[in-house]
Amino acid sequence: DAGITQSPRYKITETGRQVTLMCHQTWSHSYMFWYRQDLGHGLRLIYYSAAADITDKGEVPDGYVVSRSKTENFPLTLESATRSQTSVYFCATWGRADNSGNTIYFGEGSWLTVV
Amino acid sequence: AQTVTQSQPEMSVQEAETVTLSCTYDTSESDYYLFWYKQPPSRQMILVIRQEAYKQQNATENRFSVNFQKAAKSFSLKISDSQLGDAAMYFCACTNFGNEKLTFGTGTRLTIIP
Repeated sequence: DAGITQSPRYKITETGRQVTLMCHQTWSHSYMFWYRQDLGHGLRLIYYSAAADITDKGEVPDGYVVSRSKTENFPLTLESATRSQTSVYFCATWGRADNSGNTIYFGEGSWLTVV
Repeated sequence: AQTVTQSQPEMSVQEAETVTLSCTYDTSESDYYLFWYKQPPSRQMILVIRQEAYKQQNATENRFSVNFQKAAKSFSLKISDSQLGDAAMYFCACTNFGNEKLTFGTGTRLTIIP
């Protein structure tokens, strides 16, 4: 099916471990984003990418690394997970997926718990 | 930088009644988009309605409509004939043309009373 696929959907990891959250889109939208959602903060932008090989920091980038070698994939890596990175992570794209105007589309979220 | 403020952490409404969720924003740009997203307990982010700032006419989608006041930087969401399925967190968001980073408010939790 067309859309955004995130994996894993649920992950428990230990402090200090490296974790990679995967994001794949089927629309070929140029812009892709990673947000985290925490109680009381809404959604905050971690990193975004305007195209393959172009990435930039968002509001809360510390402790995260991204890459984008292909348009359709935008993985997010936590190099050394900390408990403060326990959150729900959303991948998103910006573009046009139907007859409506440009909008942002979200994946289903990845629930990460760091113990 | 843009900011989005939702001053109502929680709202409740009787089923079949009308409720309005408030949102104010601040941006230095003249061209931008505004959105309302619904997030049910599943955490899925569902687009409710979008508004392009250059359009004078308020956007509507079935029972959902907005009151867009550009000069006041206000973007409220009206839900008519509220249904139990409308219960969710609602997020207001803003992004500028050519800089598609969406900035979100902190959300309003809407409860529908049967």
